[in-house]
Amino acid sequence: GQQVMQIPQYQHVQEGEDFTTYCNSSTTLSNIQWYKQRPGGHPVFLIQLVKSGEVKKQKRLTFQFGEAKKNSSLHITATQTTDVGTYFCAAHGSGNTGKLIFGQGTTLQVKP
Amino acid sequence: DTAVSQTPKYLVTQMGNDKSIKCEQNLGHDTMYWYKQDSKKFLKIMFSYNNKELIINETVPNRFSPKSPDKAHLNLHINSLELGDSAVYFCASSQVTQRRSPLHFGNGTRLTVT
Repeated sequence: GQQVMQIPQYQHVQEGEDFTTYCNSSTTLSNIQWYKQRPGGHPVFLIQLVKSGEVKKQKRLTFQFGEAKKNSSLHITATQTTDVGTYFCAAHGSGNTGKLIFGQGTTLQVKP
Repeated sequence: DTAVSQTPKYLVTQMGNDKSIKCEQNLGHDTMYWYKQDSKKFLKIMFSYNNKELIINETVPNRFSPKSPDKAHLNLHINSLELGDSAVYFCASSQVTQRRSPLHFGNGTRLTVT
């Protein structure tokens, strides 16, 4: 079945450093969504990318969708302690069931 | 206003018991889901209902039985609980008729089986 691979699994950074998580698929994706889960919390939708080569920004967060629509990345500039959490990419499976397949997630720790 | 609410938040029980988790959404969405998150934070879909009809049923033991009395409610009943069932269970909803609609998650139910 369709799989979405996400790396790295963990990342520890010093506050102020940048952070990037990568998402890859062996098949062409119709879209990619990104979610953030704070420690002890639930996943919260951040953004969706649909077009080939699309780039979207939310303050210090930059989201990219690859030209071939098989990979995506989330880059955080100058991390802050509030960025701590697990970031998930997710893609819809085939059909129109709404089934969302999640990557394994990248857990970000930020040292103040 | 809580969009997707599930109860209980914590559930501690012994092996062999039967337990239920309830979920309600007030977003007017047509589809609801159960996801299981293991200790490594991996999110795996278990079930999905669209307007009370089961549309996704992943490889889940028969001990797990979802029920959707109406499109705003989705419950999960688990029989004969096992140690490996310990996890966080998330309910979620979306509007499937809006293509590629994002998921709205509940706060989760942390199930601990001893």
